[in-house]
Amino acid sequence: DAGITQSPRHKVTETGTPVTLRCHQTENHRYMYWYRQDPGHGLRLIHYSYGVKDTDKGEVSDGYSVSRSKTEDFLLTLESATSSQTSVYFCAISESPGTQAFFGQGTRLTVV
Amino acid sequence: DAKTTQPNSMESNEEEPVHLPCNHSTISGTDYIHWYRQLPSQGPEYVIHGLTSNVNNRMASLAIAEDRKSSTLILHRATLRDAAVYYCILRAPNFGNEKLTFGTGTRLTIIP
Repeated sequence: DAGITQSPRHKVTETGTPVTLRCHQTENHRYMYWYRQDPGHGLRLIHYSYGVKDTDKGEVSDGYSVSRSKTEDFLLTLESATSSQTSVYFCAISESPGTQAFFGQGTRLTVV
Repeated sequence: DAKTTQPNSMESNEEEPVHLPCNHSTISGTDYIHWYRQLPSQGPEYVIHGLTSNVNNRMASLAIAEDRKSSTLILHRATLRDAAVYYCILRAPNFGNEKLTFGTGTRLTIIP
């Protein structure tokens, strides 16, 4: 199995509080991705990174920011969490654009 | 981005072969056809990918049409564990096409 770890695995937070989710990899892959998954919507891309300090927006980036200060870590931050951001978040890594991607086990975030 | 079209759902009997179709009529010459699946409560996992020729691995076979506008994922002998959502996506192996986006996939139900 690819070395990709998401933390925390579960989190409950209050509306208006900041939240940071972490994706950590040990594969030295260049590309990293954050997704959210909600019933009826499938996997939606939030942000992705194509290198250290190189990031770009995905389909549903409003309300989210990311940072990648080193190859192995990709952080997803909700500056002020809202109930609409209650979801399951997945991280993925990929060595290059055409190769297979590996996914983490997901983080279930509940905003109350 | 080139799009793919898959049926929303399919059913198959246990221990029988399953053919999951995918249409990608706007595929470009460099796009690889990737298949992933997502088991309940898990992150997606890679199944198989190919460019032009049919491909086989321990999980499945991928049959690609001669004009590459469609493909079929073949599970040779379905088990209950194969019940999942199957995603067909296109990936171009060149920089500038780093996004990894998913459609809603095909939900496969295996009937015991």
